[in-house]
Amino acid sequence: EVQLLESGGGLEQPGGSLRLSCEATGFFFTVSAMTWVRQAPGKGLEWVSGISGSGASIFYADSVKGRFTISRDNSKNTVYLQMSSLRVDDTALYYCAKGAGSTTWYADSWGQGILVTVSS
Amino acid sequence: DIQMTQSPSSLSASVGDRVTITCRASQDIRNYLAWFQQKPGKIPNLLIYAASTLQSGVPSRFTGSGSGTHFTLTISSLQPEDVATYYCQKYNSAPGTFGQGTKVEIK
Repeated sequence: EVQLLESGGGLEQPGGSLRLSCEATGFFFTVSAMTWVRQAPGKGLEWVSGISGSGASIFYADSVKGRFTISRDNSKNTVYLQMSSLRVDDTALYYCAKGAGSTTWYADSWGQGILVTVSS
Repeated sequence: DIQMTQSPSSLSASVGDRVTITCRASQDIRNYLAWFQQKPGKIPNLLIYAASTLQSGVPSRFTGSGSGTHFTLTISSLQPEDVATYYCQKYNSAPGTFGQGTKVEIK
């Protein structure tokens, strides 16, 4: 059974940093792209960032480019999202999601989400 | 980047009705389209990928069609458990942009 467990969220001030982690179990991690998708309160889904199974291909939404960094450690079955220069509008539930293939950018499994609140 | 536009933004229909949601891409994405269902307070669930392939375990009343820039999700007979917001997502390349969502309610 696929399980994705996010951690690292919380309350941070504008301009601050947070690092989200997502530990994956139940599938071959190295052959799956991993993505972060966020959902602001009462709003729709927003694709944030994705990393291919090997880690060689990395992409970001324009809204986070230059501020967020995605990475993965295939020896630990974990994907990370380093968030810097946080803004109030980064407040959202952040989902870790497993891609259906190594460079496939739709998710066939989702974590429960981790809340990030940016507020002074 | 390619933009994804869904219509309508919300709809209300009776149990047993046929419901259709439309998703349009601003550029040709061939059949690289997925549909997700998100029930209130729950995580998103994959319904359809490759525009028309039903994900395992999804009821057959859900069908997807289309290619290029115009896609549809149809619920053949709306059930109370289908109350949710539905999202399309393009995945021909990153970013995997989502549509803004369509909220489906029971009349």
